[in-house]
Amino acid sequence: DAGVIQSPRHEVTEMGQEVTLRCKLISGHNSLFWYRQTMMRGLELLIYFNNNVPIDDSGMPEDRFSAKMPNASFSTLKIQPSEPRDSAVYFCASSLPSGGPQDTQYFGPGTRLTVL
Amino acid sequence: RKEVEQDPGPFNVPEGATVAFNCTYSNSASQSFFWYRQDCRKEPKLLMSVYSSGNEDGRFTAQLNRASQYISLLIRDSKLSDSATYLCVSLTGFQKLVFGTGTRLLVSP
Repeated sequence: DAGVIQSPRHEVTEMGQEVTLRCKLISGHNSLFWYRQTMMRGLELLIYFNNNVPIDDSGMPEDRFSAKMPNASFSTLKIQPSEPRDSAVYFCASSLPSGGPQDTQYFGPGTRLTVL
Repeated sequence: RKEVEQDPGPFNVPEGATVAFNCTYSNSASQSFFWYRQDCRKEPKLLMSVYSSGNEDGRFTAQLNRASQYISLLIRDSKLSDSATYLCVSLTGFQKLVFGTGTRLLVSP
């Protein structure tokens, strides 16, 4: 079975440009999570959706970041305009919550973003 | 102060050694805890869950001490393939995972 799919795997852009990151959930999963990982701050949750509805976006750094889930299997994370401090690895993860505390989140391979 | 704190390491150990990592958490409302493993330039993957009674999975043993708010991971008989970064994780709220910054382990021949 295919895991979480992210694209692009690498993105290099210039400051001020719009960046769109894409994620496809594992088939049948209904929760989606966007994380950002940097050396200084580690892995941080940006936003997560359950059944296409944003549940918690308190980790979104500022208005330049927006995330959507237009259908049950796909999500985008957009940064507009991008800044050098946005350079990081962005991971998407999905899960199928059963209501218990041990629901596993499966991570995609990540998108390595460099903003010059 | 970060909600989950870990010693970044690196821990350099020879093959066959036993190594232990600890992490501390500050949110007493955290419900569950996990250890994730992350290889260089790869995504994090769940290694094991952590229970108050302690749990073991082969060479790996995890323990939770709620009174002191710390979690431990013990790796016995280290293998070269154990070289990775180990992330301590707490679950707070509905599916909300909080990650430590990770402890790097290097196992040498």
